[in-house]
Formats: sequence, C-alpha cells, structure tokens
Amino acid sequence: DQQVKQNSPSLSVQEGRISILNCDYTNSMFDYFLWYKKYPAEGPTFLISISSIKDKNEDGRFTVFLNKSAKHLSLHIVPSQPGDSAVYFCAASAGLGGAQKLVFGQGTRLTINP
Amino acid sequence: GAVVSQHPSWVICKSGTSVKIECRSLDFQATTMFWYRQFPKQSLMLMATSNEGSKATYEQGVEKDKFLINHASLTLSTLTVTSAHPEDSSFYICSAAGSMNTEAFFGQGTRLTVV
Repeated sequence: DQQVKQNSPSLSVQEGRISILNCDYTNSMFDYFLWYKKYPAEGPTFLISISSIKDKNEDGRFTVFLNKSAKHLSLHIVPSQPGDSAVYFCAASAGLGGAQKLVFGQGTRLTINP
Repeated sequence: GAVVSQHPSWVICKSGTSVKIECRSLDFQATTMFWYRQFPKQSLMLMATSNEGSKATYEQGVEKDKFLINHASLTLSTLTVTSAHPEDSSFYICSAAGSMNTEAFFGQGTRLTVV
C-alpha cells in the first residue's frame, strides 16, 4: 500500500524554466509534508516543508503547494538550474517534528538541460 | 542545518558475516534516530525507529534479530546486519532528530554489498 505516490519517475526541464514535481497521498492522518533532494550514493537533503494548515510555502526558488481536498502537493522550482538535477522525494508524516515517522514517495528524477 | 555522519560510506562483506553501521549526530542531541533502506530506483523504506535508551521499534516485515539497532547515547546509533546475505545488499540511510527539530537530518548513507 503506497501511501505517498510520485507518479512521474523522471522529468526533464530546460534551464531557466519552471520545474513542477507532483506528489499524491492517501492517508488522511498526514498533516506535515516535506520535500527532499537526493544525489546518488548520498543521503537526502531537506528542501522545504509545509504544514496542512497552509496551502503554500515559499523559500527562494522553491515553492510547495498543498491541496488537501485533492490530497496532492507539488514542488515548484523556478528558475531551474543545472545544479537542481537530482532525485526529489516527497515525504509525509502524521504530526509535526523531526521525531515523526516519514513515509516517502518513490522519487522523481529531475534533469535540467542547458 | 544539523550534521549527521554515517560510517562507513560503503562496505563489502562476505556472506554470513556481520556488519555494523554507525550514525552520529555531530552538533545536536538526537533523541530519535531512524534507519531506512533503499533499493535501486525505489523509495526509502523505514526499517526502525530508535529513541535513546529504549529498544528500537521495527516496522512490519523487518527482522529485529537480523537488523540489530542500538541507540546507547544521544549522539550515536548503530545498525548491525547479522549473518548478512546477498539479498541484504542495499543502501542503508539513517536520520536523526532532536526534540526541538522540525525535521530529521539524514546521514550520507552506507552502500552494503554482500558477496
């Protein structure tokens, strides 16, 4: 039972354009959502998060949107840069805080083309 | 952000031997540590959660006698893969969080290859 799904295994975007990565979840108990960036043979790096009481959170080039009714969140990266090429994981937890268990999606490999 | 160091970054061992992986929080006290496993091109799957001084809580399907977890201090957790077999070959990642952290911080991961 995949509670967090990233249906696009890969995405290719031209440098300077917007990258949109999508994530869907099924568990209504999830109320905190995070996006991580991961390079091969490295651990994930935290990017941005959003609580279910918000529908948008912005940090520099990264914006996360949450649509609770649709159980859908997305990560927007604009403008996209070559260094953004990596695998992006969305994750969800029931409760705020680093001590909460995270459920991860399958990841989306983002490639930024010059 | 906080720093979590995982060691070794890669290890090759013979089938039947045991391997220990360390996860250290370098600049904060980690009251909770998590151990994940990632197969190629797949998601990170939570194996167990450990709180300092307590027994680890294992996820369904994870053999606690095979994957021994010790969280003896606020800065160190270890995962020991006992009697390793080729199917245990995977990428193991730890994460750690303090009581005031809003997110957990991940180590660099350990690539285990059992031959």
